[in-house]
Amino acid sequence: GENVEQHPSTLSVQEGDSAVIKCTYSDSASNYFPWYKQELGKGPQLIIDIRSNVGEKKDQRIAVTLNKTAKHFSLHITETQPEDSAVYFCAATRELGGYQKVTFGTGTKLQVIP
Amino acid sequence: DAGVIQSPRHEVTEMGQEVTLRCKPISGHNSLFWYRQTMMRGLELLIYFNNNVPIDDSGMPEDRFSAKMPNASFSTLKIQPSEPRDSAVYFCASSLSSGSRSSYNEQFFGPGTRLTVL
Repeated sequence: GENVEQHPSTLSVQEGDSAVIKCTYSDSASNYFPWYKQELGKGPQLIIDIRSNVGEKKDQRIAVTLNKTAKHFSLHITETQPEDSAVYFCAATRELGGYQKVTFGTGTKLQVIP
Repeated sequence: DAGVIQSPRHEVTEMGQEVTLRCKPISGHNSLFWYRQTMMRGLELLIYFNNNVPIDDSGMPEDRFSAKMPNASFSTLKIQPSEPRDSAVYFCASSLSSGSRSSYNEQFFGPGTRLTVL
């Protein structure tokens, strides 16, 4: 089955700096990669996603990159703000028996220091 | 819409007791997922329903776990008997699956149920 590794597990940055979270996946059939943000006491919420036919996608201060050959994808947050503090999960999705099976990474706890 | 609703939000029980977690998906969604989140193993898919039918239960840990979806607006996850190692946060998520291979469907998560088994 799919295996998604995520690094680092914790990340502290000063407000205004950039944060980068990296993931690797093992199944070459995975072709959709969402990123979720989980705030304390809440469920994960989708913040950005990328499909395998795209190398990069940007939404304001958030960007994702995908290297299909290396099976790497990354989340970049620029000009970090205290409200960016949360746990971030990457995920890899593949078609399996007519439905989309999602495998999550282990999460990165991001702390933005004011 | 109120989003995915889960109850209870917190559950503390003793080993050996039966635990039932409840989920109400977003109205109109046809896919429902149960996940378990722990520090050690992260977010694991337990079971997936499509149109109320269990499609993938390969993540259900063992026979002590069972899930049902009697109708489109309600699902339960039951643990009987519960054990301390079942302590975790259990999430329910729902999505609208179009069935198209080219579409990917955002999963909307509930707030979770924090289960503690003593």
